[in-house]
Amino acid sequence: EAGVTQFPSHSVIEKGQTVTLRCDPISGHDNLYWYRRVMGKEIKFLLHFVKESKQDESGMPNNRFLAERTGGTYSTLKVQPAELEDSGVYFCASSPNLNTGELFFGEGSRLTVL
Amino acid sequence: GQQLNQSPQSMFIQEGEDVSMNCTSSSIFNTWLWYKQDPGEGPVLLIALYKAGELTSNGRLTAQFGITRKDSFLNISASIPSDVGIYFCAGQLIGGGADGLTFGKGTHLIIQP
Repeated sequence: EAGVTQFPSHSVIEKGQTVTLRCDPISGHDNLYWYRRVMGKEIKFLLHFVKESKQDESGMPNNRFLAERTGGTYSTLKVQPAELEDSGVYFCASSPNLNTGELFFGEGSRLTVL
Repeated sequence: GQQLNQSPQSMFIQEGEDVSMNCTSSSIFNTWLWYKQDPGEGPVLLIALYKAGELTSNGRLTAQFGITRKDSFLNISASIPSDVGIYFCAGQLIGGGADGLTFGKGTHLIIQP
Protein backbone atom coordinates (compact mmCIF):
# COMPACT_ATOMS: atom_id res chain seq x y z
CA GLU A 1 0.00 0.00 0.00
CA ALA A 2 1.39 3.39 -1.00
CA GLY A 3 2.00 5.86 1.80
CA VAL A 4 1.32 9.57 1.85
CA THR A 5 3.20 11.21 -0.99
CA GLN A 6 4.14 14.85 -1.27
CA PHE A 7 5.45 16.92 -4.14
CA PRO A 8 7.81 18.66 -4.56
CA SER A 9 10.29 17.39 -2.00
CA HIS A 10 12.12 20.71 -2.09
CA SER A 11 11.23 24.07 -3.59
CA VAL A 12 13.38 27.18 -3.67
CA ILE A 13 11.61 30.40 -4.61
CA GLU A 14 12.07 34.11 -4.24
CA LYS A 15 10.04 36.30 -1.98
CA GLY A 16 6.84 37.33 -3.72
CA GLN A 17 6.58 34.24 -5.88
CA THR A 18 3.92 31.58 -5.67
CA VAL A 19 4.37 27.94 -4.72
CA THR A 20 1.88 25.09 -4.75
CA LEU A 21 2.51 21.97 -2.70
CA ARG A 22 0.65 18.77 -3.38
CA CYS A 23 -0.29 15.87 -1.11
CA ASP A 24 -1.71 12.49 -2.04
CA PRO A 25 -3.04 10.78 1.08
CA ILE A 26 -3.30 7.05 1.62
CA SER A 27 -6.19 5.74 -0.45
CA GLY A 28 -9.41 5.62 1.55
CA HIS A 29 -8.25 8.07 4.24
CA ASP A 30 -10.93 10.72 4.61
CA ASN A 31 -8.89 12.84 7.00
CA LEU A 32 -6.07 14.91 5.57
CA TYR A 33 -3.93 17.32 7.58
CA TRP A 34 -1.32 19.92 6.78
CA TYR A 35 1.41 20.74 9.29
CA ARG A 36 4.50 22.94 9.12
CA ARG A 37 7.84 22.84 10.89
CA VAL A 38 10.03 25.90 10.87
CA MET A 39 13.71 25.12 11.58
CA GLY A 40 14.24 24.13 15.20
CA LYS A 41 10.64 24.75 16.17
CA GLU A 42 7.70 22.49 16.86
CA ILE A 43 5.55 20.93 14.15
CA LYS A 44 2.51 23.18 13.92
CA PHE A 45 -0.98 22.29 12.78
CA LEU A 46 -2.28 24.24 9.79
CA LEU A 47 -5.57 22.66 8.81
CA HIS A 48 -7.67 19.52 8.58
CA PHE A 49 -9.89 18.24 5.79
CA VAL A 50 -12.55 15.62 6.13
CA LYS A 51 -13.05 14.49 2.58
CA GLU A 52 -13.36 17.75 0.62
CA SER A 53 -14.54 19.87 3.56
CA LYS A 54 -12.33 22.00 5.78
CA GLN A 55 -12.95 20.71 9.29
CA ASP A 56 -10.55 23.08 11.01
CA GLU A 57 -8.30 25.73 9.50
CA SER A 58 -7.46 27.54 12.71
CA GLY A 59 -3.74 26.99 12.20
CA MET A 60 -3.46 28.73 8.84
CA PRO A 61 -1.09 31.68 9.34
CA ASN A 62 -2.84 34.21 7.11
CA ASN A 63 -4.72 34.67 3.87
CA ARG A 64 -1.60 34.11 1.78
CA PHE A 65 -2.16 30.42 2.37
CA LEU A 66 -4.89 28.56 0.49
CA ALA A 67 -5.59 24.86 0.82
CA GLU A 68 -7.93 22.85 -1.34
CA ARG A 69 -9.03 19.26 -1.59
CA THR A 70 -11.32 19.08 -4.56
CA GLY A 71 -13.06 15.73 -4.86
CA GLY A 72 -11.81 14.64 -1.50
CA THR A 73 -8.69 12.96 -2.85
CA TYR A 74 -5.42 14.85 -3.16
CA SER A 75 -4.87 18.26 -1.61
CA THR A 76 -2.90 21.33 -2.58
CA LEU A 77 -1.48 24.09 -0.40
CA LYS A 78 -0.71 27.32 -2.21
CA VAL A 79 1.37 30.13 -0.77
CA GLN A 80 0.91 33.42 -2.61
CA PRO A 81 2.88 35.63 -2.35
CA ALA A 82 5.58 33.81 -0.40
CA GLU A 83 7.44 35.60 2.40
CA LEU A 84 10.77 34.75 4.03
CA GLU A 85 9.08 33.48 7.20
CA ASP A 86 7.18 30.88 5.16
CA SER A 87 10.33 28.80 4.83
CA GLY A 88 10.12 25.43 6.50
CA VAL A 89 9.03 21.86 5.96
CA TYR A 90 5.37 21.34 5.13
CA PHE A 91 4.08 17.94 6.16
CA CYS A 92 0.90 16.31 4.97
CA ALA A 93 -0.66 13.52 7.01
CA SER A 94 -3.72 11.35 6.61
CA SER A 95 -5.82 9.15 8.83
CA PRO A 96 -8.79 6.85 8.31
CA ASN A 97 -10.33 7.73 11.64
CA LEU A 98 -11.56 11.03 13.00
CA ASN A 99 -10.50 12.10 16.47
CA THR A 100 -7.37 9.99 16.54
CA GLY A 101 -3.86 11.29 16.75
CA GLU A 102 -2.56 8.29 14.84
CA LEU A 103 -1.50 10.00 11.66
CA PHE A 104 0.47 8.78 8.67
CA PHE A 105 2.87 11.48 7.55
CA GLY A 106 4.42 12.12 4.19
CA GLU A 107 8.10 12.91 3.81
CA GLY A 108 7.40 16.63 3.71
CA SER A 109 7.98 19.41 1.21
CA ARG A 110 10.84 21.69 2.13
CA LEU A 111 10.18 25.28 1.12
CA THR A 112 12.99 27.80 1.00
CA VAL A 113 12.04 31.42 0.35
CA LEU A 114 14.96 33.67 -0.57
CA GLY B 1 -2.83 27.99 22.34
CA GLN B 2 -1.50 24.87 24.00
CA GLN B 3 2.25 24.40 24.27
CA LEU B 4 4.32 21.35 25.02
CA ASN B 5 7.70 21.63 26.71
CA GLN B 6 9.85 18.75 25.51
CA SER B 7 13.22 17.94 27.01
CA PRO B 8 16.01 17.42 26.54
CA GLN B 9 16.47 19.27 23.26
CA SER B 10 19.26 16.89 22.24
CA MET B 11 21.02 13.86 23.65
CA PHE B 12 24.47 12.50 22.88
CA ILE B 13 24.76 8.92 24.11
CA GLN B 14 26.78 5.77 23.63
CA GLU B 15 25.28 2.74 21.93
CA GLY B 16 23.71 0.47 24.52
CA GLU B 17 22.73 3.25 26.90
CA ASP B 18 19.16 3.86 28.04
CA VAL B 19 17.41 7.07 27.00
CA SER B 20 14.69 9.07 28.68
CA MET B 21 12.81 12.10 27.39
CA ASN B 22 9.66 13.84 28.51
CA CYS B 23 7.00 16.38 27.71
CA THR B 24 5.03 18.63 30.00
CA SER B 25 2.20 21.03 29.41
CA SER B 26 0.04 23.45 31.32
CA SER B 27 -2.92 22.05 29.36
CA ILE B 28 -4.72 18.75 29.79
CA PHE B 29 -4.72 16.37 26.84
CA ASN B 30 -6.93 13.39 26.09
CA THR B 31 -4.25 11.58 24.12
CA TRP B 32 -0.46 11.58 24.18
CA LEU B 33 1.57 10.27 21.28
CA TRP B 34 5.23 9.80 20.50
CA TYR B 35 6.55 10.08 16.95
CA LYS B 36 10.02 9.57 15.50
CA GLN B 37 11.42 11.33 12.46
CA ASP B 38 14.36 9.85 10.55
CA PRO B 39 16.43 12.19 8.35
CA GLY B 40 14.60 13.02 5.13
CA GLU B 41 11.45 11.24 6.26
CA GLY B 42 8.18 12.23 7.85
CA PRO B 43 7.31 11.47 11.48
CA VAL B 44 6.27 7.90 12.22
CA LEU B 45 4.06 6.97 15.15
CA LEU B 46 5.81 4.96 17.86
CA ILE B 47 3.33 4.81 20.72
CA ALA B 48 -0.15 6.20 21.43
CA LEU B 49 -1.51 6.62 24.97
CA TYR B 50 -5.20 7.11 25.68
CA LYS B 51 -5.69 6.81 29.44
CA ALA B 52 -4.20 8.76 32.31
CA GLY B 53 -1.65 6.59 34.07
CA GLU B 54 -1.33 4.24 31.10
CA LEU B 55 2.07 2.63 30.62
CA THR B 56 2.67 1.12 27.18
CA SER B 57 5.62 -0.70 25.66
CA ASN B 58 6.63 -1.26 22.06
CA GLY B 59 9.75 -3.39 21.97
CA ARG B 60 12.55 -1.42 23.64
CA LEU B 61 10.32 1.64 23.93
CA THR B 62 8.17 2.42 26.95
CA ALA B 63 5.91 5.45 27.32
CA GLN B 64 3.59 6.68 30.04
CA PHE B 65 0.60 9.01 30.08
CA GLY B 66 0.93 11.13 33.22
CA ILE B 67 -1.78 10.84 35.84
CA THR B 68 -2.47 14.57 35.68
CA ARG B 69 -2.90 14.34 31.87
CA LYS B 70 -0.31 17.11 31.54
CA ASP B 71 2.81 15.08 30.90
CA SER B 72 4.31 12.01 29.28
CA PHE B 73 7.69 10.33 29.09
CA LEU B 74 9.37 8.02 26.61
CA ASN B 75 12.15 5.62 27.53
CA ILE B 76 14.35 3.71 25.10
CA SER B 77 16.36 0.85 26.53
CA ALA B 78 19.67 -0.44 25.18
CA SER B 79 19.92 2.08 22.35
CA ILE B 80 21.11 0.95 18.91
CA PRO B 81 22.34 3.01 15.93
CA SER B 82 18.95 2.99 14.18
CA ASP B 83 17.44 4.82 17.15
CA VAL B 84 19.08 8.01 15.87
CA GLY B 85 16.56 10.63 14.87
CA ILE B 86 14.23 13.27 16.24
CA TYR B 87 11.56 12.21 18.70
CA PHE B 88 8.43 14.31 19.03
CA CYS B 89 5.78 14.16 21.69
CA ALA B 90 2.29 15.23 20.69
CA GLY B 91 -0.90 15.87 22.58
CA GLN B 92 -4.42 15.84 21.30
CA LEU B 93 -7.38 17.57 22.85
CA ILE B 94 -10.62 16.20 21.49
CA GLY B 95 -13.57 18.52 21.52
CA GLY B 96 -11.49 21.53 22.37
CA GLY B 97 -12.00 23.30 19.08
CA ALA B 98 -8.75 22.68 17.23
CA ASP B 99 -8.51 19.00 16.44
CA GLY B 100 -4.93 18.99 15.30
CA LEU B 101 -2.08 17.65 17.33
CA THR B 102 0.09 19.93 19.45
CA PHE B 103 3.73 18.91 19.07
CA GLY B 104 6.78 19.45 21.20
CA LYS B 105 9.96 20.87 19.63
CA GLY B 106 11.57 17.47 19.47
CA THR B 107 14.47 15.64 21.10
CA HIS B 108 17.39 15.02 18.77
CA LEU B 109 19.01 11.68 19.67
CA ILE B 110 22.58 11.19 18.56
CA ILE B 111 24.43 7.95 19.22
CA GLN B 112 28.19 8.14 19.37
CA PRO B 113 30.14 5.10 18.18
